[in-house]
Amino acid sequence: DGGITQSPKYLFRKEGQNVTLSCEQNLNHDAMYWYRQDPGQGLRLIYYSQIVNDFQKGDIAEGYSVSREKKESFPLTVTSAQKNPTAFYLCASNDRQTGTEAFFGQGTRLTVV
Amino acid sequence: KQEVTQIPAALSVPEGENLVLNCSFTDSAIYNLQWFRQDPGKGLTSLLLIQSSQREQTSGRLNASLDKSSGRSTLYIAASQPGDSATYLCALYSGGGADGLTFGKGTHLIIQP
Repeated sequence: DGGITQSPKYLFRKEGQNVTLSCEQNLNHDAMYWYRQDPGQGLRLIYYSQIVNDFQKGDIAEGYSVSREKKESFPLTVTSAQKNPTAFYLCASNDRQTGTEAFFGQGTRLTVV
Repeated sequence: KQEVTQIPAALSVPEGENLVLNCSFTDSAIYNLQWFRQDPGKGLTSLLLIQSSQREQTSGRLNASLDKSSGRSTLYIAASQPGDSATYLCALYSGGGADGLTFGKGTHLIIQP
């Protein structure tokens, strides 16, 4: 089945540690996105990539980094510079050529311990 | 900057009722509008996508309308069932410099058996 796979489902981070969240898609989509979801707030865009080897900052990029070395993969690193990383992280993709319907993965819940 | 508001924030109704969820936005220059469903602790499932040139879309018991001139969209759910209980999110794609969707905070829906 085609779709977006995020791993792990749950992730625990110690203070001062960098962690990487995985996002893989087999939909052959050009564009991929990372969102953060906090209770009582809407989803907020962290980073997005429209093509391999290119990515842009979203509204809340500070303390995060990404790479886009392959079309299928868009990993997100939460660095120690992110002061409040506990949240639910969602990866999405769309095919910009056919109407931009977005599809989402099942999310990764990150908790600082 | 585009802002998306969803009313009501929460709704509880008996099974079998028809109901309407509302989404309003401040900038009518949009490419499309998408309605999603989110179950607790899960990712987003796309329900309906309305392109800016369209007025409505239907899928089963769901009907979504779009009125760009008034900055409104509604999601109509017919003959509600307990399995419809979830959070419903409205999101807009406006294009421009910051790619990605702009989300409302959602409507938390409970269908009582």
